[in-house]
Amino acid sequence: DSGVTQTPKHLITATGQRVTLRCSPRSGDLSVYWYQQSLDQGLQFLIQYYNGEERAKGNILERFSAQQFPDLHSELNLSSLELGDSALYFCASSRTGTDFKVSYGYTFGSGTRLTVV
Amino acid sequence: AQSVTQLGSHVSVSEGALVLLRCNYSSSVPPYLFWYVQYPNQGLQLLLKYTTGATLVKGINGFEAEFKKSETSFHLTKPSAHMSDAAEYFCAVSEGRGATNKLIFGTGTLLAVQP
Repeated sequence: DSGVTQTPKHLITATGQRVTLRCSPRSGDLSVYWYQQSLDQGLQFLIQYYNGEERAKGNILERFSAQQFPDLHSELNLSSLELGDSALYFCASSRTGTDFKVSYGYTFGSGTRLTVV
Repeated sequence: AQSVTQLGSHVSVSEGALVLLRCNYSSSVPPYLFWYVQYPNQGLQLLLKYTTGATLVKGINGFEAEFKKSETSFHLTKPSAHMSDAAEYFCAVSEGRGATNKLIFGTGTLLAVQP
């Protein structure tokens, strides 16, 4: 157990639908990152939140949105789903803060496998 | 912008043989470099990282990597492969510092270990 919890583990839904993926970071970690992993695109960075605020954005579609709540858990919302959105969605957390000299790397959750049919 | 290139999407070695997985990076600032391993149906697990200091870093499961600035490389090695090393390995570079240090991943190398 990495300490990062993602739910649900599997999700099957139809095209056009909306889903919410949930992530609880490791205790003490302030940053949450969302990644999409697919066979053709590899690991793509979607978005980062740090202590409740959006900090960096990657190749995230406008149909996708995320937020981080006061208790630091995060949700990734995917709407108007298309077949091509089928992928593994990973959440990672990091104990980053004001120490700019050290990067601790990420701790990953086990992912949510989304299948759009 | 930072980027990572992993040479060889598939590598196959015999059990007991040397493992060498190649990673080259591009970065305009001193990089932080990472290797992650992903076992089937699992998340990514940190193997090792280079931030500052000693350029040869040791990680878990007997893996190590050497940061070579002149070659912009961070290759992963293990002297003797074990069947349990079969997995996908990702090299990553940290873009930025502090609170905005998102990781940019390579495309991964799938390691097969033959008995």
